[in-house]
Amino acid sequence: NAGVTQTPKFQVLKTGQSMTLQCAQDMNHNSMYWYRQDPGMGLRLIYYSASEGTTDKGEVPNGYNVSRLNKREFSLRLESAAPSQTSVYFCASSEGTSGILADTQYFGPGTRLTVL
Amino acid sequence: SQKIEQNSEALNIQEGKTATLTCNYTNYSPAYLQWYRQDPGRGPVFLLLIRENEKEKRKERLKVTFDTTLKQSLFHITASQPADSATYLCALEGSGGYQKVTFGIGTKLQVIP
Repeated sequence: NAGVTQTPKFQVLKTGQSMTLQCAQDMNHNSMYWYRQDPGMGLRLIYYSASEGTTDKGEVPNGYNVSRLNKREFSLRLESAAPSQTSVYFCASSEGTSGILADTQYFGPGTRLTVL
Repeated sequence: SQKIEQNSEALNIQEGKTATLTCNYTNYSPAYLQWYRQDPGRGPVFLLLIRENEKEKRKERLKVTFDTTLKQSLFHITASQPADSATYLCALEGSGGYQKVTFGIGTKLQVIP
């Protein structure tokens, strides 16, 4: 039981390059989330998927796209990376009964992304 | 706009004492409040959830209180240990399901042996 896994752990991109961050959970959770964490700021929700087949924007969705590939996997794509997207990205999952914080959220280890 | 304030400065406490961390919020009617622990270079780990109609929750050495009148949550760690040293985050969500979620920047706790 690995919980929430994320790949890659580290990535350096040049401005304008694209990449996809991968996330998978093995807890049979309905809901999955992508956050970013920047120094001096709290975690901010980028996108979430309340259930398989649905995705919704969070607080800071601009410059990102997501895909809920199946119940286990939720990917985050940067189409044209910008220096402002340098951050630590966390994926999380929860049972998703009636809200993001209504249940325990399980976070992955994070991806540290630098955009030059 | 909705805002959470946590002590941005580190909290140093002697081993064995009770650590108390504060989470104040404004412009919010939260349905859920959660506390997380985060160690350097790692993802947050869930500790406790408290709902708007609950005043207090306990789990082992941890206790959370939720005062919707004062718009404040207090997080207590009793008999603190050096292993409790970490950053503690609070997070809020409004009512109605899948509302805006706001995380605080966290308070760094250092337990001194």
